[in-house]
Amino acid sequence: GIQVEQSPPDLILQEGANSTLRCNFSDSVNNLQWFHQNPWGQLINLFYIPSGTKQNGRLSATTVATERYSLLYISSSQTTDSGVYFCAVRMNYGGSQGNLIFGKGTKLSVKP
Amino acid sequence: GAGVSQSPRYKVAKRGQDVALRCDPISGHVSLFWYQQALGQGPEFLTYFQNEAQLDKSGLPSDRFFAERPEGSVSTLKIQRTQQEDSAVYLCASSFYSGGHDEQFFGPGTRLTVL
Repeated sequence: GIQVEQSPPDLILQEGANSTLRCNFSDSVNNLQWFHQNPWGQLINLFYIPSGTKQNGRLSATTVATERYSLLYISSSQTTDSGVYFCAVRMNYGGSQGNLIFGKGTKLSVKP
Repeated sequence: GAGVSQSPRYKVAKRGQDVALRCDPISGHVSLFWYQQALGQGPEFLTYFQNEAQLDKSGLPSDRFFAERPEGSVSTLKIQRTQQEDSAVYLCASSFYSGGHDEQFFGPGTRLTVL
């Protein structure tokens, strides 16, 4: 099956720093989402981005589908950005009914 | 409400008990997914409904797990004769279209602890 690899697994930042999280996937996809799982376990939708670039405030994301990777940029990080960031993809061909396949996540800790 | 809701938020069961977990998807969403998230891992797919039809149950770990969505809206995930390895967070997600091409939205999850 498709493999989804996220890096780095852990990241510690000082408040105000910028960071880039990476998601590599092993096969063609037609759905890619980035989530932030807060300390209470809620998965918060950040981006639905099967291709191209999107921005939302201090966050932006880029997916290069032909090269099978996506990047999540966090600028001017805040302590509330702490949590686990997941990348999830859906395969681009049969056998899948649409379920997302998740990476193992990047655990981000932002220190004041 | 505007989002996906799940109940209960927390459930403690003694080994061997049956449990039922409820999911209320976003109104009008055709697709409904159940995922299981073990501690420190990403969510893993359990089963998928398109309206009331269960089209994929390939991720259910054993025949003790059963899901239904009889009227194409609310869904229930039932686990019979719970085991300690069933302890996890169970997440429900919904999306507007069938087939999972569009954005999925997740509920807050039910944290199940089996003693």
